[in-house]
Amino acid sequence: QQKVQQSPESLIVPEGGMASLNCTSSDRNVDYFWWYRQHSGKSPKMLMSIFSNGEKEEGRFTVHLNKASLHTSLHIRDSQPSDSALYLCAASASSGSWQLIFGSGTQLTVMP
Amino acid sequence: GGIITQTPKFLIGQEGQKLTLKCQQNFNHDTMYWYRQDSGKGLRLIYYSITENDLQKGDLSEGYDASREKKSSFSLTVTSAQKNEMAVFLCASSLNTEVFFGKGTRLTVV
Repeated sequence: QQKVQQSPESLIVPEGGMASLNCTSSDRNVDYFWWYRQHSGKSPKMLMSIFSNGEKEEGRFTVHLNKASLHTSLHIRDSQPSDSALYLCAASASSGSWQLIFGSGTQLTVMP
Repeated sequence: GGIITQTPKFLIGQEGQKLTLKCQQNFNHDTMYWYRQDSGKGLRLIYYSITENDLQKGDLSEGYDASREKKSSFSLTVTSAQKNEMAVFLCASSLNTEVFFGKGTRLTVV
């Protein structure tokens, strides 16, 4: 069983719509989460990180974290075709060895 | 800013061959990682290292060896390439909270 699970596997939203992506860790030691975006043929680039309970907003992107349930979500409002990419969630335990585990990703397609 | 350089960019090997992938970073980061990514899928951790001469196995370490002889470099060896194997191997480095990736080595085994 994967330690970091993402859903849905794929998501199609219309241009201007809201995309919501989910990520949960099954490792109770995890307390740091990252969201990465990977365009086709490119390396992953960090979008946002979140380490505290609550919400963090940067432009059109909002990340939520619930530490009790080890669940994080990424919301993209006013989605653009350029947002089409593989979105990867990663988790790590600050008290441990900094092993960074990724989920399988959500493939987002924004239709013009 | 720093950079992570992976060599080679493309690697074609034969079944059973031992293949080595190299990674250099000039961020002066302590931790380095090797991940494997199959087409359209997530990243699976092969090995990581938290300092020079340290090696830690990830979930996918079987069939691979790694070496961290210097803080700036981390190499990965495929001990016996599997026929029809195709994947991208990504090297990354981090200092606590941010991880940076190289551009990857694309492996094809014929």
